Amino acid sequence: EVQLVESGGGLLQPGGSLRLSCAASGFTFSIYWMHWVRQVPGKGLVWVSRINQDGSDTTYADSVKGRFTISRDNAKNTLYLQMNSLRAEDTAVYYCAREGIEAIGAGLDYWGQGTLVTVSS
Amino acid sequence: SYELTQPPSVSVSPGHTASITCSGDKLGDKYACWYQQRPGQSPVLVIYQDDKRPSGIPERFSGSNSGNTATLTISGTQAMDEADYYCQAWDSSTVVFGGGTKLTVL
Repeated sequence: EVQLVESGGGLLQPGGSLRLSCAASGFTFSIYWMHWVRQVPGKGLVWVSRINQDGSDTTYADSVKGRFTISRDNAKNTLYLQMNSLRAEDTAVYYCAREGIEAIGAGLDYWGQGTLVTVSS
Repeated sequence: SYELTQPPSVSVSPGHTASITCSGDKLGDKYACWYQQRPGQSPVLVIYQDDKRPSGIPERFSGSNSGNTATLTISGTQAMDEADYYCQAWDSSTVVFGGGTKLTVL
């Protein structure tokens, strides 16, 4: 059974840093692109970042570029999101998600349960 | 940046057909996906590559994409289908989500 389990969320002050983790199991983690998506409670989904199979290709939403870093450790089957210079508008539930194996047009076929990040003074 | 537009809400009677639209510039030239999110739960992929259903998704869910509009159709809508639905497309290497549509079954 495919499982994605996020951790690392919490309450912190503006300007702070946090690293989220996503532990993957039940599939061959190293052959999938992986994503982070966030959602302000009660609002819509917002894509954050994407990373390829070996970590050599990453893409970010403009809103987090230069502040967030996505990475992965295939030996540990774990995806990460390092978040620096956090702002109140980064407050959201952060989901990790797996991209489908299809070459083009794949959706995000498995999602974790999410971890809440709250940035407030 | 690329934008996808969805109606905020759609209502449907049980057993009837619900259609949720997603509009974007030349969206038909891209692939569209759809997600269902029930309250308090994580999103679930219900359609990918415009019209394909992942394993385990009921046949009553179908999708189409042409011109500037992608459409999610739910035939014989059931009470359990009441949820938020999000469309998604790829813009270069980035993922774009629509704003979401709340489907009410009443």
